[in-house]
Amino acid sequence: DAGITQSPRHKVTETGTPVTLRCHQTENHRYMYWYRQDPGHGLRLIHYSYGVKDTDKGEVSDGYSVSRSKTEDFLLTLESATSSQTSVYFCATGQSRNTEAFFGQGTRLTVV
Amino acid sequence: QQQVKQSPQSLIVQKGGISIINCAYENTAFDYFPWYQQFPGKGPALLIAIRPDVSEKKEGRFTISFNKSAKQFSLHIMDSQPGDSATYFCAASLDQGAQKLVFGQGTRLTINP
Repeated sequence: DAGITQSPRHKVTETGTPVTLRCHQTENHRYMYWYRQDPGHGLRLIHYSYGVKDTDKGEVSDGYSVSRSKTEDFLLTLESATSSQTSVYFCATGQSRNTEAFFGQGTRLTVV
Repeated sequence: QQQVKQSPQSLIVQKGGISIINCAYENTAFDYFPWYQQFPGKGPALLIAIRPDVSEKKEGRFTISFNKSAKQFSLHIMDSQPGDSATYFCAASLDQGAQKLVFGQGTRLTINP
């Protein structure tokens, strides 16, 4: 998994509560991404980062924010979790834009 | 909108047979087409990828066939083995990027022994 650690691996939270998912990588990859995986939709890009403090929105960014204060850490925050955000979240990293994306093992988030 | 459409949703193949998964895309600006393999409880892992300057790429038992005019590409798994049982995703990206991906819906492949 290219030295990518996602935490927590599983989380159950209540509607309306804030949630932060963490992606930590030891590969010194510049590029980092958050995807969500849902049945029938494959994986969809939420936010991405091309470096420290350089982030941008992906296809399904509403309700999510990100921060990257260090190369190795990329945080995904749900400010006020909703049931529609129940999903499996994957972090991915890449050394440069045109090299392979490496995925973490995922975080299963359930919003009740 | 689904920019990359994948079929079938599920596929059962006998051991030793050929597994074929198809994808169609809409955006002609896509210039990188990878296939990812995912086992239960794991993240996707790159299996094989192709760029539109070639029509076919083979790596071992895995082959991508690419039809630019039809905006379609497919994954062929020859001599399918039970260990190939997994979910497969096609994807596409722009500007020669390989990480900012648009994924298909996925195909759950089961290889019966």
